[in-house]
Amino acid sequence: GESVGLHLPTLSVQEGDNSIINCAYSNSASDYFIWYKQESGKGPQFIIDIRSNMDKRQGQRVTVLLNKTVKHLSLQIAATQPGDSAVYFCADPVGGGKLIFGQGTELSVKP
Amino acid sequence: GAGVSQSPRYKVAKRGQDVALRCDPISGHVSLFWYQQALGQGPEFLTYFQNEAQLDKSGLPSDRFFAERPEGSVSTLKIQRTQQEDSAVYLCASSLVGDNSPLHFGNGTRLTVT
Repeated sequence: GESVGLHLPTLSVQEGDNSIINCAYSNSASDYFIWYKQESGKGPQFIIDIRSNMDKRQGQRVTVLLNKTVKHLSLQIAATQPGDSAVYFCADPVGGGKLIFGQGTELSVKP
Repeated sequence: GAGVSQSPRYKVAKRGQDVALRCDPISGHVSLFWYQQALGQGPEFLTYFQNEAQLDKSGLPSDRFFAERPEGSVSTLKIQRTQQEDSAVYLCASSLVGDNSPLHFGNGTRLTVT
């Protein structure tokens, strides 16, 4: 069935370093992906999205890379800050607005 | 800001009690979703409304779960005869339209069934 998975449940980085969070998906027909950030006690917050006709998309301090050949996407956060500490989810919309979320990667930023 | 609002923020229920969770979506948003998030997991889809029509309820775990959106704005998720396995955070999200519009999530209702 449809699944979206993440490689690591936790990631710890030093403040100022770059962070890379990975995600694998199983449905080769998936054509749109979204990254969400979820801080403790809050709902998921949209960060950035990417469509399958793109390999890369950049936002403010974030970049998402999509490799359709190996069905893999990654979220890169530049100059990670303490405020970036959260759980990050990749999500695959499967139609009708329904999202399939991965398990999440918890990012911890050490000062 | 006029984000998605959910109430109550926390709910403790004894096993067997009925609960009702409320969601106020962003004004003008056509689509409304309910998700369930167990501890340490990603959100899982429960049900979807477009205006007042419930178009997909395939994620509801059992017939004890019922959702409604009678006037196409506020929605209520009701759980009857709560069980311990119902303990989770229930997230509501809304969007302008269904497909490929970013979902705006509320902060959820944390339900604990004792």
